[in-house]
Amino acid sequence: QSALTQPASVSGSPGQSITISCTGTSSDVGAYNYVSWYQQHPGKAPKVIIYDVRNRPSGVSSRFSGSKSGNTASLTISGLQAEDEADYYCSSYTSRDTGVFGGGTKLTVL
Amino acid sequence: EMQLVESGGGLVQPGGSLKLSCAASDFTFSASTIHWVRQASGKGLEWVGRMRSKGDNYATAYAASVKGRFNISRDDSNNMAYLQMNSLKTEDTAVYYCTRIIMPSTWRFDPWGQGTRVTVSS
Repeated sequence: QSALTQPASVSGSPGQSITISCTGTSSDVGAYNYVSWYQQHPGKAPKVIIYDVRNRPSGVSSRFSGSKSGNTASLTISGLQAEDEADYYCSSYTSRDTGVFGGGTKLTVL
Repeated sequence: EMQLVESGGGLVQPGGSLKLSCAASDFTFSASTIHWVRQASGKGLEWVGRMRSKGDNYATAYAASVKGRFNISRDDSNNMAYLQMNSLKTEDTAVYYCTRIIMPSTWRFDPWGQGTRVTVSS
């Protein structure tokens, strides 16, 4: 199972919006609404910020939103804040009944 | 909220074995599907494998990179999960996290442990 494809890095200024894409195949992202996103700060464990494409766990800021079109899922962060600077990973359930992660995207807040 | 704590990491020679443990803090553990995820230094997350609950016959699945070498087990009576790693390779060097999915028909890994570091080197 190949990793999902994410841009290596994205950047934005405080207050701006950014979108991170996550491209898979018709056997994973495109097949199910089982895509989640994780935020990871250096030296810390990942934290779920979006699950099942667009659902936000309680306590996660509404500035984080998710969507999906075909084989590509997207994470949008609006009103960028300095604390959003982190690595972001997408994950999907697959038709082989396994899981897969994206390669990760480093978000820099300028 | 449930907490997960991994242990058992360390230095092991190529070809060796190591068994990681994951301790859960509450009774919801038994209803959870437990997943193991690893992260090599400076690299991304890699899904390793999972074991479903008793209700789903403790079904397991593994990433191709570890299939046949790694084995997941659990002890629901003690809220514990394990990752037995055999025939270790240098490329298995990583921080290993346990996490879980509690609800059926969802894809949400939550919570995560703090991770335990495994180094495979001679």
